[in-house]
Amino acid sequence: GAGVSQTPSNKVTEKGKYVELRCDPISGHTALYWYRQSLGQGPEFLIYFQGTGAADDSGLPNDRFFAVRPEGSVSTLKIQRTERGDSAVYLCASSSTGGETQYFGPGTRLLVL
Amino acid sequence: AQKVTQAQTEISVVEKEDVTLDCVYETRDTTYYLFWYKQPPSGELVFLIRRNSFDEQNEISGRYSWNFQKSTSSFNFTITASQVVDSAVYFCALGVYSGGYQKVTFGIGTKLQVIP
Repeated sequence: GAGVSQTPSNKVTEKGKYVELRCDPISGHTALYWYRQSLGQGPEFLIYFQGTGAADDSGLPNDRFFAVRPEGSVSTLKIQRTERGDSAVYLCASSSTGGETQYFGPGTRLLVL
Repeated sequence: AQKVTQAQTEISVVEKEDVTLDCVYETRDTTYYLFWYKQPPSGELVFLIRRNSFDEQNEISGRYSWNFQKSTSSFNFTITASQVVDSAVYFCALGVYSGGYQKVTFGIGTKLQVIP
């Protein structure tokens, strides 16, 4: 079956702009996670959704970052007033309810100039 | 707090050599999961293996094997007869349940280069 998909694969924007990153999880997976991976680092947790609700957003770095999952499937990570330090790969993962393994998408490479 | 340490940041081996990637973890939880993921140059994290804290049995899958030792809090990964296609960054990760879901902490990764 289809894996986790993310769009766009690459995004270049200017400092101060607004960006949206999309994640389409594996069909039937109720749990969805966003991570951020900086160069030379491992993925770092941002936010977790169970269904439509954000059950844990403790990893979001500040209030410029926000994520939604209105219908319990596709999720959008939104970044306002982007800064150069936001440049990273944003990874999305999904798992089944109570699932022990998270399956990752290919990521979105965000570059803020 | 959970912590995963991958002390080897980069390893180079010649094709057909065996290589072991080290992983040491820290947690106060008695129930947890350990993972290895592979990240090839394309960037996607590929799941390789999951092991729960109650199962210390080693596992072999083809050229891959994993050695889990709770006594030393280690979960090492060995590739036998390495191939160029094994070149990638490998991440060890630790998952613990908190608030009804599994929060995963990743190590910094070990970049493996297999030279033909």
